[in-house]
Amino acid sequence: DAKTTQPTSMDCAEGRAANLPCNHSTISGNEYVYWYRQIHSQGPQYIIHGLKNNETNEMASLIITEDRKSSTLILPHATLRDTAVYYCIVRVLIQGAQKLVFGQGTRLTINP
Amino acid sequence: EAGVVQSPRYKIIEKKQPVAFWCNPISGHNTLYWYRQNLGQGPELLIRYENEEAVDDSQLPKDRFSAERLKGVDSTLKIQPAELGDSAVYLCASSPGAALSYEQYFGPGTRLTVT
Repeated sequence: DAKTTQPTSMDCAEGRAANLPCNHSTISGNEYVYWYRQIHSQGPQYIIHGLKNNETNEMASLIITEDRKSSTLILPHATLRDTAVYYCIVRVLIQGAQKLVFGQGTRLTINP
Repeated sequence: EAGVVQSPRYKIIEKKQPVAFWCNPISGHNTLYWYRQNLGQGPELLIRYENEEAVDDSQLPKDRFSAERLKGVDSTLKIQPAELGDSAVYLCASSPGAALSYEQYFGPGTRLTVT
């Protein structure tokens, strides 16, 4: 399984952009990068995913480097409700089905 | 649309007692997952169902854990007997199809405390 490395914790001011880095240097060419987040006492929530190109949706943007060895999740205007643990995951296909292998994630705290 | 429903939300039991968790996935979702999340860690997959069939249970401790998904809808995860190390949050997730969907929808989890 491709492993990911994330900082244990980060802080960001409310209203500013939160940039969460992730290293996945052993990623294979056909493996996707996924981001989920987990707010306290809730289950994980899907945010975004990508393969090679940068992606954007209503929640966030995902920037993947050209060599695909690292990526950055960007929350453009962080709010207090974005305080959560953010997981960077490389999806692994096993028996034709996706398998999400979660690491420890980054605990993001948005400060007023 | 209702999300993934789990019950109970919290459970406290003494060691050696049995316990069961229930999950109702999103309507129409064929794939169902059970995860265990230890304190400060990310979720770990225990078992995956495609309809009624358990297609990946390699991480399920089969000596004390069992699961079923009758009729391919609701699922139950059981531990018998529970040990102190089983204290964790047990998460259920579902998706329309394991190979077709990129998103798993998670329930709120059941927090188990074994004393």
